[in-house]
Parts: sequence; C-alpha cells; structure tokens
Amino acid sequence: GENVEQHPSTLSVQEGDSAVIKCTYSDSASNYFPWYKQELGKRPQLIIDIRSNVGEKKDQRIAVTLNKTAKHFSLHITETQPEDSAVYFCVFKAAGNKLTFGGGTRVLVKP
Amino acid sequence: DTGVSQDPRHKITKRGQNVTFRCDPISEHNRLYWYRQTLGQGPEFLTYFQNEAQLEKSRLLSDRFSAERPKGSFSTLEIQRTEQGDSAMYLCASSLASRDSSYNEQFFGPGTRLTVL
Repeated sequence: GENVEQHPSTLSVQEGDSAVIKCTYSDSASNYFPWYKQELGKRPQLIIDIRSNVGEKKDQRIAVTLNKTAKHFSLHITETQPEDSAVYFCVFKAAGNKLTFGGGTRVLVKP
Repeated sequence: DTGVSQDPRHKITKRGQNVTFRCDPISEHNRLYWYRQTLGQGPEFLTYFQNEAQLEKSRLLSDRFSAERPKGSFSTLEIQRTEQGDSAMYLCASSLASRDSSYNEQFFGPGTRLTVL
C-alpha cells in the first residue's frame, strides 16, 4: 500500500546550523514529492516540491533531493533561523490525486 | 481573502449528533480535497472532487461520512452519529487541474476543529 516513513520525529538545532529530514516511500508509481510546513495552529503550506524526473532542487536556504531507485527523498534547511521552527511533512502523490503525508518532523531552532 | 476558507473553525458536539462543515475553495480551482488531521499526525486523505464529481474516497471514510460539492464550487462534509474518535481537525484543500496533466499545488484552508464529547 501507499506509505511514507519520515525521520526524525523531532529535531532540535542551534540557530545557523543545518537541519536534514529524510523520508522513504513505498509506491514506485509516485511522481510528485512536495514538502509542507505547518506552524503551530496554522494550515499546512507548501515550501518546496520536486518531480520524479529531477534529482535535486534548491530554493534559497531549502533544498530537496530525490533518489527514485532507493525511494528516498530528503529536505535540507541551511543556516536555520528561529522562524524555521515548525512541523515539516514529506508528502508524495501516487496514482490519482491524493497526497500521502509522512508523520511529520517537529523542528525547533534554538537561538 | 482569496484563499481557501472553512466554516466553522471550531465545533463542539455531543456523541451521536450530526455535524456539517463547509469549505469554500479558491474560486478558479476545480479540484477540492478533504483531509483529517489528528494531534501529532500528518493529514490523512478522505476524499476529493473534480468539479462536482467525487472521484476518490479513502477507506477511512466510513458510511457515517458523506461529502458533496453540488455545484462544483463549495463543498460540505457531514458526519452522522458522531463518535469520540471523530475528534480531529478537518482540513479542506483545493487545486487547479492542468490541461497537460501536470500536478499543481494543493492550497489548504485553516481547518475545522471538531471535538466530540
């Protein structure tokens, strides 16, 4: 079935350090991999996405990598800032149009 | 406000009562999705519509749940005979289907928090 495992579940970093979140998915038909950020009490918001024909994508301090062979994808946040504190979800889209979310990583950036 | 809106934002009900939530998508979006999110978990897909047609339903959607999008614009999600396990945040999202079948971002609403006592 469709499943995505996300690690770690919590991540505490010092301001300015990097944060890395890793996910593994099960459905080889997956072709779209967005990452959503959810601040406390707010709605999930897309921060970056990657499609299956691309191995890496970068947007300022955020980068995503995708290894389709190994069914892994990762989120990298560099030079973390306090406003990066939130829950981050890796997501994939399999057949159809529904999104399958990982369990989330709670990131805390300590000033 | 041109984003996805949901009403009500909070609902407290007693077990066994029926509740109905409303979602208004971004106006030009033809796809509308419902998700459920429990504390500490990621959103779980429930169902989605393209225009007025309900195209996919999750196995999570028991027969007590029904969703409609009668005119292809706003949608309602009704839960009959609520149970304590139905307590969750119910999120709505919308997106625009592309003619070239490429996938477009889903924009989420603020959610309706349901508490069943």
